[in-house]
Amino acid sequence: DSGVTQTPKHLITATGQRVTLRCSPRSGDLSVYWYQQSLDQGLQFLIQYYNGEERAKGNILERFSAQQFPDLHSELNLSSLELGDSALYFCASSAWDYEETQYFGPGTRLLVL
Amino acid sequence: GQQVMQIPQYQHVQEGEDFTTYCNSSTTLSNIQWYKQRPGGHPVFLIQLVKSGEVKKQKRLTFQFGEAKKNSSLHITATQTTDVGTYFCAGRVDSSYKLIFGSGTRLLVRP
Repeated sequence: DSGVTQTPKHLITATGQRVTLRCSPRSGDLSVYWYQQSLDQGLQFLIQYYNGEERAKGNILERFSAQQFPDLHSELNLSSLELGDSALYFCASSAWDYEETQYFGPGTRLLVL
Repeated sequence: GQQVMQIPQYQHVQEGEDFTTYCNSSTTLSNIQWYKQRPGGHPVFLIQLVKSGEVKKQKRLTFQFGEAKKNSSLHITATQTTDVGTYFCAGRVDSSYKLIFGSGTRLLVRP
């Protein structure tokens, strides 16, 4: 158990819908990262927040957005969902932001029908 | 853009055989990390290498960081069925906060 929690574990929805994925980092960690992993694919970095502020952006679609709240939990919002958005979404956290080990949560498996 | 390439994509070995996965970056990395993801699981941090030419060992696993800090390797001696999973390298470029993951090498071990 990494100490990072993600909810929900599974999510099934339809195209065009909007969903919110939630992540609680390890106690004391200030950075939260979001990754997308499609079937048999590597990890695609989406976005990072550090202490409430956006720190780095990866290959995140305009239909996707994220935020980190004062209590440091983070939410990833996916809208106008398409079939291709079906994937495993991981959240990771680290104590700081640079040169730090990332601890991954169990992931949310999203299926768009 | 910055890329981290990893080979091979798959490796199927007999238990007891050795295994190596290689990671190459198009740019110099400030550090490189290695993660293991078991089937159905999430990536778990294994190790971080920072210095040019650094070699670190964890039991049967040997990690190397190239002299130019553009490549790295993970070598497993005498694989066991518990080694099954996908091994990812992840590198960070000095000017970026992003950790760029390689595509991973999926290791299958025949008992």
